[in-house]
Amino acid sequence: AQRVTQPEKLLSVFKGAPVELKCNYSYSGSPELFWYVQYSRQRLQLLLRHISRESIKGFTADLNKGETSFHLKKPFAQEEDSAMYYCALTRLYAGNMLTFGGGTRLMVKP
Amino acid sequence: DTGVSQNPRHKITKRGQNVTFRCDPISEHNRLYWYRQTLGQGPEFLTYFQNEAQLEKSRLLSDRFSAERPKGSFSTLEIQRTEQGDSAMYLCASSLRLDKDTQYFGPGTRLTVL
Repeated sequence: AQRVTQPEKLLSVFKGAPVELKCNYSYSGSPELFWYVQYSRQRLQLLLRHISRESIKGFTADLNKGETSFHLKKPFAQEEDSAMYYCALTRLYAGNMLTFGGGTRLMVKP
Repeated sequence: DTGVSQNPRHKITKRGQNVTFRCDPISEHNRLYWYRQTLGQGPEFLTYFQNEAQLEKSRLLSDRFSAERPKGSFSTLEIQRTEQGDSAMYLCASSLRLDKDTQYFGPGTRLTVL
């Protein structure tokens, strides 16, 4: 069975500081990894997916199959980045059901 | 608003009562998913439909839970004989059939069982 672990419930940084939200997964097959974000009073939305290999709002994430990690990084945090971040995986070609981690709340202080 | 909609947004009920939630997906999205999120946790998959066919159900979906998508458009999730442990946010998401397509989430229905 697949599992996603986000070890930090809360991450607090100052504006302009680098950010790294950790995500580790366990899955024996070929997963697809995602980061979803939920801003205050808004619905859950896709931030980025590893297949796209793109940078969204300055965030990047690299899939490391050796360490089974998919950490989310941003070099300079902004106050508007404050939100709940969820790492998720899905099994390719198997209905696309998402398995989420427990989430990390990012607080960016001025 | 052309996004996924869910009704009601909030539901308070007494233990033992039945409740039904509705999800309207984005038009032409043929996949529809239900997730449950309890406080402090990430969403957990419950079930999904491709058109009107329910293709997979999680072990979390006990016999008291039933979901339908009769015409391949909106979906309903019913919980019978609610228990306090059913209190959670129930999220609906929709996507196109393509395996790499993005799931778009609704705002959720928050259920409180007293």
